[in-house]
Amino acid sequence: IAGITQAPTSQILAAGRRMTLRCTQDMRHNAMYWYRQDLGLGLRLIHYSNTAGTTGKGEVPDGYSVSRANTDDFPLTLASAVPSQTSVYFCASSESGYNEQFFGPGTRLTVL
Amino acid sequence: GQNIDQPTEMTATEGAIVQINCTYQTSGFNGLFWYQQHAGEAPTFLSYNVLDGLEEKGRFSSFLSRSKGYSYLLLKELQMKDSASYLCAVMDSNYQLIWGAGTKLIIKP
Repeated sequence: IAGITQAPTSQILAAGRRMTLRCTQDMRHNAMYWYRQDLGLGLRLIHYSNTAGTTGKGEVPDGYSVSRANTDDFPLTLASAVPSQTSVYFCASSESGYNEQFFGPGTRLTVL
Repeated sequence: GQNIDQPTEMTATEGAIVQINCTYQTSGFNGLFWYQQHAGEAPTFLSYNVLDGLEEKGRFSSFLSRSKGYSYLLLKELQMKDSASYLCAVMDSNYQLIWGAGTKLIIKP
């Protein structure tokens, strides 16, 4: 692994289903982030974690949850997917909360 | 509220120079970042400014004026591979990044 990986690359999901997007980094970065990117809008922060064992809410947290059991992994869960959660999801990490962020390749999610 | 403004789309010619502007209004300021994002790919870091002035990095330069809430990204000797979206982001008082919608740059031969 080099950098940040995300899985799956893309997914089509029925509304109401539960889904977990996976994110793993091997850079030993303390901070990790989940964003969604929608056409015509800037990246919007969903949740973040400044260090293992802690998480915080971003701009658009409703309908999403995260956990940070260790430094490397930061999964994002949609408990009951809705069509408005159709988006491209990017995971990112940074050495601390003050540095540039490095992004994973993204997950394209479609909720029908 | 917090707001980042940048043009939606710009067109430039291969070999020329282009300046992409970004204005911001945020609660606090802890630096401004520029990222490049090719279609279908992840954003990649280009530059960071926290003090007023110009930061040069090869063909790319970034300028910041904190008193005016203004930054620009200058791309010189444009190449076709520079066709991408350029994202401006400001780190606010909570050390969270506030992102602009991005400027799609189209390079014509």
